[in-house]
Amino acid sequence: DQQVKQNSPSLSVQEGRISILNCDYTNSMFDYFLWYKKYPAEGPTFLISISSIKDKNEDGRFTVFLNKSAKHLSLHIVPSQPGDSAVYFCAATTYSGNTPLVFGKGTRLSVIA
Amino acid sequence: DADVTQTPRNRITKTGKRIMLECSQTKGHDRMYWYRQDPGLGLRLIYYSFDVKDINKGEISDGYSVSRQAQAKFSLSLESAIPNQTALYFCATSDYTGGRSTGELFFGEGSRLTVL
Repeated sequence: DQQVKQNSPSLSVQEGRISILNCDYTNSMFDYFLWYKKYPAEGPTFLISISSIKDKNEDGRFTVFLNKSAKHLSLHIVPSQPGDSAVYFCAATTYSGNTPLVFGKGTRLSVIA
Repeated sequence: DADVTQTPRNRITKTGKRIMLECSQTKGHDRMYWYRQDPGLGLRLIYYSFDVKDINKGEISDGYSVSRQAQAKFSLSLESAIPNQTALYFCATSDYTGGRSTGELFFGEGSRLTVL
């Protein structure tokens, strides 16, 4: 049973437009959520996070939105750049940090120049 | 130099062979993890260790074992490799201070294992 779901395996967006990556979770115990970015031949790297006490967290071009009632979060990238082309993983855990991260299957974003 | 180093980076082996993947870190983190990445399946947790004396099974531990030799070293073994263990393996670390973890993981560059 998948606890973290990314239902879109891939997404293609034009340079300069907004990219929206979606993630759903089923475990109500999760209260801390992270997004990771992965380029080929590299390990995933942390991008942005949000705790359940917030509904939005912004870092430059990246914004994560959390809808607790729907158990849904999304990552917005504005404006999208070709260098953003990568696989994006959504992950969830508990704020205490005593639960290892549970990852979704990832979404491959392609930003077309 | 990378903070989290995995060796070997690539390995091809045969069914039934014993394989060890090694991970060392210079970040001084207590917590270490082994994940496996398969196409279309994302990252799945194999084993994790919150300190040197602590070892825990993850979602897909069958067929694997681990050893936490020191705070900085965490190795993953496949006692008798089989083809469906062909995957990309990642070691990761996380910090734990002030009674909580940020949850952020720091990953190595990965070890690509092919079992023929």
